[in-house]
Amino acid sequence: AQKVTQAQTEISVVEKEDVTLDCVYETRDTTYYLFWYKQPPSGELVFLIRRNSFDEQNEISGRYSWNFQKSTSSFNFTITASQVVDSAVYFCALSANQDTGRRALTFGSGTRLQVQP
Amino acid sequence: KAGVTQTPRYLIKTRGQQVTLSCSPISGHRSVSWYQQTPGQGLQFLFEYFSETQRNKGNFPGRFSGRQFSNSRSEMNVSTLELGDSALYLCASSLEQAARDDEQFFGPGTRLTVL
Repeated sequence: AQKVTQAQTEISVVEKEDVTLDCVYETRDTTYYLFWYKQPPSGELVFLIRRNSFDEQNEISGRYSWNFQKSTSSFNFTITASQVVDSAVYFCALSANQDTGRRALTFGSGTRLQVQP
Repeated sequence: KAGVTQTPRYLIKTRGQQVTLSCSPISGHRSVSWYQQTPGQGLQFLFEYFSETQRNKGNFPGRFSGRQFSNSRSEMNVSTLELGDSALYLCASSLEQAARDDEQFFGPGTRLTVL
């Protein structure tokens, strides 16, 4: 079975601080995909990034960066110089073919990020 | 391009009733997936439809069912509602079957409250 663990339930930072959201995953599949989604209070999940298991290159997109390490089964997400608008719940998710097929995402429990002004 | 739309946005039902939720995917998207989000269980995969066929199913009882129409619109039905079915139901659409890492675009969800 596959599993995604986000150990940080809630993080509170002050604006302009950097913050890292942790994600650890488990899967027996050798080919899999990892995602990060943002869920603002409106409820809609907003796609941030996907990464396949063969691409361990880190990625930076503006203030966002992701660190994928297969050796530790982690896919961490860093927000640099956080802003109040970053306040949301962030979900890490895994897609593998093992159990319910390729389109089914297994989500972590989410990390609520509060950025104080 | 319009995003994924879900109707209704809010719904209140009583135990024992049934409910039907609707999802219209992004134009051209053929895959529709449904997820349930509750405070206790988090986000859980319900099922996925592609070309009017259920392709994958999560670990939910048979009270939860769905279908997809020829225009890719999808409905999910929950019969004999229980209090624990109160949740945000999210629908996601993606473009095609072949690419395994298709991005899924989520709708705003339907918040169902069972009294």
